[in-house]
Amino acid sequence: DAKTTQPNSMESNEEEPVHLPCNHSTISGTDYIHWYRQLPSQGPEYVIHGLTSNVNNRMASLAIAEDRKSSTLILHRATLRDAAVYYCISDNYGQNFVFGPGTRLSVLP
Amino acid sequence: NAGVTQTPKFQVLKTGQSMTLQCAQDMNHNSMYWYRQDPGMGLRLIYYSASEGTTDKGEVPNGYNVSRLNKREFSLRLESAAPSQTSVYFCASGMPGGINEQFFGPGTRLTVL
Repeated sequence: DAKTTQPNSMESNEEEPVHLPCNHSTISGTDYIHWYRQLPSQGPEYVIHGLTSNVNNRMASLAIAEDRKSSTLILHRATLRDAAVYYCISDNYGQNFVFGPGTRLSVLP
Repeated sequence: NAGVTQTPKFQVLKTGQSMTLQCAQDMNHNSMYWYRQDPGMGLRLIYYSASEGTTDKGEVPNGYNVSRLNKREFSLRLESAAPSQTSVYFCASGMPGGINEQFFGPGTRLTVL
């Protein structure tokens, strides 16, 4: 079973920010939080990861709650190309990722 | 760099037939993985190989065998295909520990009749 829970689906308008939530209430102190996304008919691709502090990269930002029981992936300006299924994964050594059903993000023009 | 490549892209089998899915990576990664993805579902880990010469079962290993031929190649074999194995199969590679960014191949769509 996935160790994280996410909403099944979300919608956003193009060029608006999107906040994708993830709950990981059973996370251990050494588990990283990883986000991947899967575009239609493609394999998943890495988005971002973090441990305790908020993280930014060219694709997104990751905001991690102080108690680490939840996190939020932030896409600052959604584009049509960001329509995908987003997976939140908590894992220690990264050898046995458990992908839940993820959040299907729809971006409206 | 080609990244992670998989062959074939599509395959149709009859129940009981066997086949091998091939995967290769050119990123010098130690770890390689096989996942399956059923319609509308997330990915499930079948087998993984932490390094050349080692393999371990994942969440759904029954009905599959794997071979880590060398550091580059990791194959998945179905000895006697069943309709329940109809799925999209993804191979991935990565360097475990911390970030462990996994790089995925384009997938093989397998149908078992």
